[in-house]
Amino acid sequence: DTEVTQTPKHLVMGMTNKKSLKCEQHMGHRAMYWYKQKAKKPPELMFVYSYEKLSINESVPSRFSPECPNSSLLNLHLHALQPEDSALYLCASSQLTDTQYFGPGTRLTVL
Amino acid sequence: AQSVTQPDIHITVSEGASLELRCNYSYGATPYLFWYVQSPGQGLQLLLKYFSGDTLVQGIKGFEAEFKRSQSSFNLRKPSVHWSDAAEYFCAVVNNYGQNFVFGPGTRLSVLP
Repeated sequence: DTEVTQTPKHLVMGMTNKKSLKCEQHMGHRAMYWYKQKAKKPPELMFVYSYEKLSINESVPSRFSPECPNSSLLNLHLHALQPEDSALYLCASSQLTDTQYFGPGTRLTVL
Repeated sequence: AQSVTQPDIHITVSEGASLELRCNYSYGATPYLFWYVQSPGQGLQLLLKYFSGDTLVQGIKGFEAEFKRSQSSFNLRKPSVHWSDAAEYFCAVVNNYGQNFVFGPGTRLSVLP
């Protein structure tokens, strides 16, 4: 099973809302990733967790807050977002340097 | 620093025609290379990967790619394109630290009936 699941599929939020994106994998992968993807662009790396510890933060604004409660789960907490944060948010997992498996993404719209 | 270029932003082919999507990389050592495909609004699906060994790799959906170290290329090919192949294609290389991919800008493939 090479499935990464993400919920919700779509999310609309106002600039004062707090929401969370969820990602789950059961492949025993020890690295998990959050990417942001704007239309017609490649995914941009936001965060990397290795062995449940944050190992890379690509200078992402603090209004995005990642959390890795256990080796299978990855959350992205959102607060006070801006309209320009509207994008497809992709989660991925891997065995470190090996293939990254991507979830279907959450389409986020910030009003 | 690693980089990946995909010279063709958009390619249009007729159904049944052959396809080649170009990918060039800049990397100091033997790279780990990948091709992913993305349909609109969807996640990325792995087509194939190259780590070492045979330089011609076979993937899913009838795709193959050839690693050419002398040209720093990893071009994707398919002998006969199907309408369902219309999508965005990304080439990627794993960076020095092995923790994140460097993606190319992508090539959008359109297929004419």
